[in-house]
Amino acid sequence: QLRLQESGPGLVKPSETLSLTCTVSGDSISSSSYYWGWIRQPPGKGLEWIGSIYYSGSTYYNPSLKSRVTILVDTSKNQFSLKLSSVTAADTAVYYCARLIGGSGSFDYWGQGTLVTVSS
Amino acid sequence: QSVLTQPPSVSAAPGQKVTISCSGSSSNIGSNFVSWYQQLPGTAPKLLFYGNNKRPSGIPDRFSGSKSGTSATLGITGLQTGDEADYYCGTWDSNLSVWVFGGGTRLTVL
Repeated sequence: QLRLQESGPGLVKPSETLSLTCTVSGDSISSSSYYWGWIRQPPGKGLEWIGSIYYSGSTYYNPSLKSRVTILVDTSKNQFSLKLSSVTAADTAVYYCARLIGGSGSFDYWGQGTLVTVSS
Repeated sequence: QSVLTQPPSVSAAPGQKVTISCSGSSSNIGSNFVSWYQQLPGTAPKLLFYGNNKRPSGIPDRFSGSKSGTSATLGITGLQTGDEADYYCGTWDSNLSVWVFGGGTRLTVL
């Protein structure tokens, strides 16, 4: 059974960089059939796609966040990561990592999510 | 303001049927597959449908998905209290080059 698990600090100061890691177990992140992505959900609000990465390292980002986002993959550790720079209170959200089936355009497996609060 | 429009809330009695609409445009729903997600309180979203109307294994056939033109619909029959959740539609927007989601619809089973 595929599992995704987010990890990282739950509190980040304004103007600093938010860093999260998603560890994938139960399957190889190097599978050619899938992309891997980050999605966030501010408290009480809807879902926002942040960006996605292929095992080769190819990425594509939400244009609204592109200038601040970096997603990397480490196939040796079966992990991918998110860095979001210059955070503000508006970046406070539950951050999810998920597997993306490119052909059907669906996120079929999700991590449990991790709340990141931006506050001094 | 979401690119995909869903009603904020719907409600129905146990055993009844409910539909949730998702309205978009030619650049998203009109030209790409639609997915639906169920988010139970305090949990991560769960895939209900992919490819407009395909159910992953384990999703009961009380749930149905369809798409017509620039709109999609999620249907749930035989409502149960355990169906109370937020439901989201999602798809790719070819103009914006972004995966987009509806604003979500909260289902209450009275």
